Amino acid sequence: QLQLQESGPGLVKPSETLSLTCTVSDGSINSSTYYWGWIRQPPGKGLEWIGTIHSGGSTYYNPSLKSRVIISVDTSKNQFSLNMRSVTAADTAVFYCARLRWHGYFDLWGRGTLVTVSS
Amino acid sequence: DIVMTQSPDSLAVSLGERATINCKSSQSVFHSSNNKNYLAWYQQKPGQPPKLLIYWASTRESGVPDRFSGSGSGTDFTLTIGSLQAEDVAVYYCHQYYSSTQTFGQGTKLEI
Repeated sequence: QLQLQESGPGLVKPSETLSLTCTVSDGSINSSTYYWGWIRQPPGKGLEWIGTIHSGGSTYYNPSLKSRVIISVDTSKNQFSLNMRSVTAADTAVFYCARLRWHGYFDLWGRGTLVTVSS
Repeated sequence: DIVMTQSPDSLAVSLGERATINCKSSQSVFHSSNNKNYLAWYQQKPGQPPKLLIYWASTRESGVPDRFSGSGSGTDFTLTIGSLQAEDVAVYYCHQYYSSTQTFGQGTKLEI
């Protein structure tokens, strides 16, 4: 079955840029049926949608984060990425990548990666 | 943004008993063009990612036990676990994907 795996630094300094990559394995990121997204979860708290991308390049962002976030896709590597600039301690969270079915609900999730923002 | 409010925040249910979790949206998530409610439910166990249980408010995801069921329409939705098992201890989230800004409920912690 298709799997997703997040990768990237676990520690980022305040004011710097958080960069994560999600690698899709045992399946193709190229699909008209599926979109790909990022969700975060601060320790002990709930889920927040960050943004979504299609393999064709269309992007959709949470307005509350849109000014700091860029999501991109590299179909040749079967990967999509998240860049979040000007991070603060409030951005400390477990970041999940996930697949969206029909640009709707999240039907497959990566295991998540904890990113801590601290000097 | 559509605000999703779950109730209760936590509940304790005996093994074999029924558990009911409610989710209310600040505006309707029903789309009349296809008669679908854009509402999903997820289960999250400690240290694990969320797992999709229900989509379109009442469609059970493949492989999900049939003791899990979803109901409701418009702004009011319910997740019911028909006969609680020990492995159902988790936090449950509702999620609306009607709006271009997707939002989640705050979560309901289910304990035995």
